[in-house]
Amino acid sequence: DTAVSQTPKYLVTQMGNDKSIKCEQNLGHDTMYWYKQDSKKFLKIMFSYNNKELIINETVPNRFSPKSPDKAHLNLHINSLELGDSAVYFCASSQREGNGELFFGEGSRLTVL
Amino acid sequence: DQQVKQNSPSLSVQEGRISILNCDYTNSMFDYFLWYKKYPAEGPTFLISISSIKDKNEDGRFTVFLNKSAKHLSLHIVPSQPGDSAVYFCAASVNGNKLVFGAGTILRVKS
Repeated sequence: DTAVSQTPKYLVTQMGNDKSIKCEQNLGHDTMYWYKQDSKKFLKIMFSYNNKELIINETVPNRFSPKSPDKAHLNLHINSLELGDSAVYFCASSQREGNGELFFGEGSRLTVL
Repeated sequence: DQQVKQNSPSLSVQEGRISILNCDYTNSMFDYFLWYKKYPAEGPTFLISISSIKDKNEDGRFTVFLNKSAKHLSLHIVPSQPGDSAVYFCAASVNGNKLVFGAGTILRVKS
């Protein structure tokens, strides 16, 4: 029974398309995150939501829009995909805001052609 | 501007010996440090953490050492096992918020 699950695991698409990655956690956590792992392998935070409220919004292009319908779900929608968006996107959750122990999903590898 | 640096991209160790993974940071406001382990095609999993008020935390075969004056922490694994082969990420935060990760170190434990 996966604690943090994200779909799809792999996504290949053309430049200019719009795509979404979904994330769900069944841990009862209040805080969810999106991280991006780029080609240099750094994991960088993109967004953080606490109980459906946006807490952290790093310098991310407006083409990226997170949506949290409830505290168990945090989806990532990307408009007008660019080559540089190719990366592995990780969803994570934590018990509360400020708790550094994150539970990560398996990652979604996005390839933009 | 990388606030958390893992300068060794990879490390190879013989089974049974000690593995030492190093991490340096630049932000003196960091007060909580964590190590995550990642296998291929999986997400990172939490391994061990340390608060800035401590200089050592031990959990079984894993020990994290923190040297605040040097802004340096290390993860010791002893004895190393083949199943420890993975990518290890160092991470740091202020009050547990907004974890900043290093680039990771690939550990290979040879049997």
